[in-house]
Amino acid sequence: EVQLLDSGGDLVQPGGSLRLSCAASGFTFSNYAMNWVRQAPGKGLEWVSGISAGGGSTYYADSVKGRFTISRDNAKNILYLQMSSLRVEDTAIFFCAKEGPVGAFFFDSWGQGTLVTVSS
Amino acid sequence: SYVLTQPPSVSVAPGKTATITCGGSNVGRKSVHWYQQRPGQAPVLVIYYDSDRPSGIPERLSGSNSGNTATLTISRVEAGDEADYYCQVWDRSSDHVVFGGGTKLTVL
Repeated sequence: EVQLLDSGGDLVQPGGSLRLSCAASGFTFSNYAMNWVRQAPGKGLEWVSGISAGGGSTYYADSVKGRFTISRDNAKNILYLQMSSLRVEDTAIFFCAKEGPVGAFFFDSWGQGTLVTVSS
Repeated sequence: SYVLTQPPSVSVAPGKTATITCGGSNVGRKSVHWYQQRPGQAPVLVIYYDSDRPSGIPERLSGSNSGNTATLTISRVEAGDEADYYCQVWDRSSDHVVFGGGTKLTVL
């Protein structure tokens, strides 16, 4: 059974930094692209970032480009999202999501989410 | 950037058919995927590649895609279908994943 365990969410001040983690199990992690998707309180889903299976290609939403960095450790089966220069509008639940087969660009498994609150 | 437009809300009586649309420029040329999100829970993939269902998703849920509109159809609606539904595509021109704004399905 695929399991994705998101963690690292916290209360942080504007301008601060935070690193999210997603521990994966139940599948061959190194074979699948992974993504982060967020949801602000009471709002819809917003794609944040994606990374290829091997980690060589990364993609970012315009709203986070230059501030967030996605990475993965295929030896440890962990996905990361390093967030810096955080803004109030980054407040959201962040979900990690596993893509389907190569080139599928849909998300067939999701973590439970971790809450990031940016506030002074 | 590419935009997907969904109606904010759809209401339907139990046992009837709900239709949720997802509009986008020539969206019929893209693969559309659909997610169901119940309150307080993570999204769940219910339709991929326009009309395929993951294992465990009932046949009452179906999808289609043509022209400028993709559609999620839920037949014989049940109380448990009440949720938010999101469509999603990959925009190749920008290398971005795009979600629609979401539709809240209310079962009357």
